[in-house]
Amino acid sequence: GAVVSQHPSWVICKSGTSVKIECRSLDFQATTMFWYRQFPKQSLMLMATSNEGSKATYEQGVEKDKFLINHASLTLSTLTVTSAHPEDSSFYICSAPPWGAPNEKLFFGSGTQLSVL
Amino acid sequence: QKEVEQDPGPLSVPEGAIVSLNCTYSNSAFQYFMWYRQYSRKGPELLMYTYSSGNKEDGRFTAQVDKSSKYISLFIRDSQPSDSATYLCAMTLGNTNAGKSTFGDGTTLTVKP
Repeated sequence: GAVVSQHPSWVICKSGTSVKIECRSLDFQATTMFWYRQFPKQSLMLMATSNEGSKATYEQGVEKDKFLINHASLTLSTLTVTSAHPEDSSFYICSAPPWGAPNEKLFFGSGTQLSVL
Repeated sequence: QKEVEQDPGPLSVPEGAIVSLNCTYSNSAFQYFMWYRQYSRKGPELLMYTYSSGNKEDGRFTAQVDKSSKYISLFIRDSQPSDSATYLCAMTLGNTNAGKSTFGDGTTLTVKP
C-alpha cells in the first residue's frame, strides 16, 4: 500500500518555542493532506485540510495562526505549532488519500507525539 | 449524541477467539465504511473498507455493513496477540474525501496468548 512518512515521531520542547512536523507521501502524489490531533483514548480530531499550492482549510475552533500549515509540493505538507504551550501537547497525525480513491481510503503517517514543557 | 458510536471496550480475549467489533451511526447518508487498526503511539492503518451492505472478507477479517440498521461490524477470526490494538471505525459521505471521515472513538482489543 501507499506510504506516508511523518517526522519526527516524538518531540519535546520548551513552552514558547515552535515545532515543525513533516508529512511526506513517498510513492504517490497527494494534492490534499489532512492533519489531526488525538488525545489519549479518544478518536482523531480533524484540524485542517492541507491543499497543495493554496491555503489550508481549518476546522472550526482551530487557530490558523497557531497551527501553520504549508503544502509546498505534491508530496510534502508541514504543520508548525507556533509558540507551543503545555496544552498543545498531543499526538499529531497526518494522512493522505491515494489518487483515484479519495472517498474510500486514507493512508496515515506514524504520528508525532508532542510534549511541551 | 455522536454521529458514530463505537463500543468502547476494552475487550480482552484469549488467543484463537473470534472477536466482534461494532459501530452504530445515525446519518443514513454515510456511504463508505472503513475499519482502521491503530497500535499504541502509531498512526491508524486501513484494514477494510466497504461501500454497500453485506459482507467483505479479507483473510481473518470480515467487515459487515447493515445500512438498514445503521450498524457495522468487524469480525476477527483466530485472533492473535499481534491483533492487540485499538480499532477505529470510520464513515464517509459519498461526495466527501475520506480525510473528513467521521471516526468512532475506538475499541481497544487485547488478545492474550
